[in-house]
Amino acid sequence: AQTVTQSQPEMSVQEAETVTLSCTYDTSENNYYLFWYKQPPSRQMILVIRQEAYKQQNATENRFSVNFQKAAKSFSLKISDSQLGDTAMYFCAFNQGAQKLVFGQGTRLTINP
Amino acid sequence: GAVVSQHPSRVICKSGTSVKIECRSLDFQATTMFWYRQFPKQSLMLMATSNEGSKATYEQGVEKDKFLINHASLTLSTLTVTSAHPEDSSFYICSAPSGTGGRGRYGYTFGSGTRLTVV
Repeated sequence: AQTVTQSQPEMSVQEAETVTLSCTYDTSENNYYLFWYKQPPSRQMILVIRQEAYKQQNATENRFSVNFQKAAKSFSLKISDSQLGDTAMYFCAFNQGAQKLVFGQGTRLTINP
Repeated sequence: GAVVSQHPSRVICKSGTSVKIECRSLDFQATTMFWYRQFPKQSLMLMATSNEGSKATYEQGVEKDKFLINHASLTLSTLTVTSAHPEDSSFYICSAPSGTGGRGRYGYTFGSGTRLTVV
């Protein structure tokens, strides 16, 4: 079974700093998709970024980028120039094509003014 | 973009009563809907997967007679918590694969969640 592990329960940085959230996963498959979702205090799940495993190039979305290391089964999220609005729970998630999303435990990120 | 509308956002019910939660896909057809449960400060736990026109698939340990799921159309899936008890109090979220093909490769659209409190 696929598993997703986020080893950082909580992180806290100052506004404008860069922060990296870690995620590792376990699968025997070769083709799959990885996601980072943000859940702010409103609890609405918001897609931050996605990565297709067959693409070697790391995905980027404005201030958000990933470091995808397929061999190491690692998928970290880097947030540059962090903003107060980035404060949220961040979930790493995996989808292998069976449509079901498998979530990590989450990292609670706090951006301090 | 794809939107899933979930209602109600909050509901308080008495122990022993039933509560229905609706999720509607507003601008796309959701052949599949996932139902999650989330406890405070925890991750999302998949409860069941519903497919339009067929029976839902429940995850291990989820009581199918307590959590009734119906997916009668391509735009509506419902979760009914039957004979609710205080331990059923939780945050329930629905989600559908977005993008063409419905396989979720482009991400998933989530409803805004329902906070259920059973008193």
